[in-house]
Amino acid sequence: QSALTQPASVSGSIGQSITISCTGTNSDIGSYDLVSWYRQYPGKPPKLMIYEVTKRPKSVSDRFSGSKSGNTASLTISGLQSEDEADFYCSSYAGSSTLVFGGGTKVTVL
Amino acid sequence: QEQLVQSGAEVKKPGASVRVSCQASGYNFTDFDVNWVRQAPGQGLEWMGWMNPKSGNTVFAQNFQGRVTMTRDTSTDTAYMEMINLRSEDTAVYYCARAVLSVSGGKYVINWFGPWGQGTLVAVSS
Repeated sequence: QSALTQPASVSGSIGQSITISCTGTNSDIGSYDLVSWYRQYPGKPPKLMIYEVTKRPKSVSDRFSGSKSGNTASLTISGLQSEDEADFYCSSYAGSSTLVFGGGTKVTVL
Repeated sequence: QEQLVQSGAEVKKPGASVRVSCQASGYNFTDFDVNWVRQAPGQGLEWMGWMNPKSGNTVFAQNFQGRVTMTRDTSTDTAYMEMINLRSEDTAVYYCARAVLSVSGGKYVINWFGPWGQGTLVAVSS
């Protein structure tokens, strides 16, 4: 399977909103509402931020939201804060009991 | 609390094999699949495959078929990932992660991962 396509970097100022896209195909994102988003700080394991396209674990701030249209999923971070500076990865179920990740997006808070 | 604790860093020579362990605690080990994900230095996440601790069934990403095995010891709630014929390109941090499944089309499918192990660095160098 090919990795999902994410922008290498996205930046924004404190308080702004940013959106990270994640583009797949009809075989993964386009076929299943099983897109997740993970945040990763350097040297740490990833942490789940969004699952099933739009759902947020209880511990995750409501500043994080997800959506999907066709073969592209998106993660929006509103009210950008300094602690949002991290790498973000999308993932999608890809059929046949497999999963695929995106290449990752580095979020920079200006 | 639910957690996965992995074995320590390994340094291996090309052509060697490595086994990484992942011990679960805080939940019923056989109720959730264990997935393995690796991350090369400065690179993104790469899904490797999963193992069902109850049955021992496994599924691998195409890139790892034939070179990776995943096993478990239910007496110690530990999952293992073994990779053979290591190459320098296999230098990476290897993570185990518990998978939550959903039902889609009448079968169980991978939904999301959590918790994750702390990661194990495997360095392959001559």
